[in-house]
Amino acid sequence: QSALTQAPSASGTPGQRITISCSGSSSNIGSNAVNWYQQLPGTAPKLLIHSNNQRPSGVPDRFSGSKSGTSASLAISGLQSADEADYHCAAWDDSLNGVVFGGGTKLTVL
Amino acid sequence: QLQLQESGPGLVKPSETLSLTCTVSGGSIRSNSFYWGWIRQPPGKGLEWIGSLYYSGSTFYNPSLKSRVTISVDTSKNHFSLRLNSVTASDTAVFYCARLTYSGGWYPDYWGQGRLVTVSS
Repeated sequence: QSALTQAPSASGTPGQRITISCSGSSSNIGSNAVNWYQQLPGTAPKLLIHSNNQRPSGVPDRFSGSKSGTSASLAISGLQSADEADYHCAAWDDSLNGVVFGGGTKLTVL
Repeated sequence: QLQLQESGPGLVKPSETLSLTCTVSGGSIRSNSFYWGWIRQPPGKGLEWIGSLYYSGSTFYNPSLKSRVTISVDTSKNHFSLRLNSVTASDTAVFYCARLTYSGGWYPDYWGQGRLVTVSS
């Protein structure tokens, strides 16, 4: 049971805009920033969004993040087949004194 | 460019101790701006934080693993290590080391490629 809740799967067609949600609690998302990771098959997670809505250098602006209260969302616009991956949300948890993750959402591009 | 590389046995017997090392290159582990940590991912499952360490040696562990985990640092070799004792099959996972940076909370920004460790006799 992950501390952050994500839907296990999502899908979209090329060119479409999709959103992936992440729900937490007051000790994690409610009081700390949310970060998103993209994990392509067989590879390590890669930082996609940090500090709720900041893109690291090299991440296309098709990817965006937002946070409200104890929930957060990752949006992907202009969906491409290369976006097929697992997407994980994460946040620092003040009660745990550690990082908590969502269970991951597997994105399929139809 | 910062790089992290996990190393250690890929097969551990039940009840024994899993030991992994993360070697950091392209940057110093003796930085007061970062934590260093271990994260694992069982096959087909999500990510689980194991613990984090500051270069001075202070540590934070996941309470669910705290009784079995030790994370330590060797600044002279620019690496840090994980020991997980009394392993069972449920500890089979890909283990990642990562650097944690701070912006609104600590989070992993650089990751190693991962090391699959299988617990089996």
